[in-house]
Amino acid sequence: SQQGEEDPQALSIQEGENATMNCSYKTSINNLQWYRQNSGRGLVHLILIRSNEREKHSGRLRVTLDTSKKSSSLLITASRAADTASYFCATRASVDSSYKLIFGSGTRLLVRP
Amino acid sequence: EAQVTQNPRYLITVTGKKLTVTCSQNMNHEYMSWYRQDPGLGLRQIYYSMNVEVTDKGDVPEGYKVSRKEKRNFPLILESPSPNQTSLYFCASSLSSGARNIQYFGAGTRLSVL
Repeated sequence: SQQGEEDPQALSIQEGENATMNCSYKTSINNLQWYRQNSGRGLVHLILIRSNEREKHSGRLRVTLDTSKKSSSLLITASRAADTASYFCATRASVDSSYKLIFGSGTRLLVRP
Repeated sequence: EAQVTQNPRYLITVTGKKLTVTCSQNMNHEYMSWYRQDPGLGLRQIYYSMNVEVTDKGDVPEGYKVSRKEKRNFPLILESPSPNQTSLYFCASSLSSGARNIQYFGAGTRLSVL
């Protein structure tokens, strides 16, 4: 079953606006990661936030994590047309001998020029 | 350049004809994994390998085989492909299986089974 579920499934904004995507998960996690996927291409790692962290920044990206609500959000500020892509959250469970990442179904972001 | 290379990128085949999708990484990573991506379902792990000669099933292993004879290569084998294996496949690797290791993905293989 899916561990991470993103919301919204699709988002369309104007260039320069901020984009916020949310992710909810079900079990205790060691960390949560966000990946980006350009259409039909491989995923690229954006940012990792550990379970004991609440907020993390990387350039125009801001990630928050609320372990009590089992949710995370990814904020992209001052969006650009080049940010158009699908964004996935992925969780690594606290207790999982396979160390696998479990991906959500993604948010498709369209940034209109 | 550090990368994960998959071949082929596109493949059309017929039901029952054995095929292999190759995956190679040049980063000396221990952990490698195969995923399939289907609309609305995100990425689901097929098989993973923590090191040479160590492989294990992921969430959707039925109909697939893997091998890890060398550290850099992790081929995905479909012995008798069926139409429900039509999908976009990704190979990924990470430095180790450690909890904080991020995964590096190949560009993907789009497979159609007729």
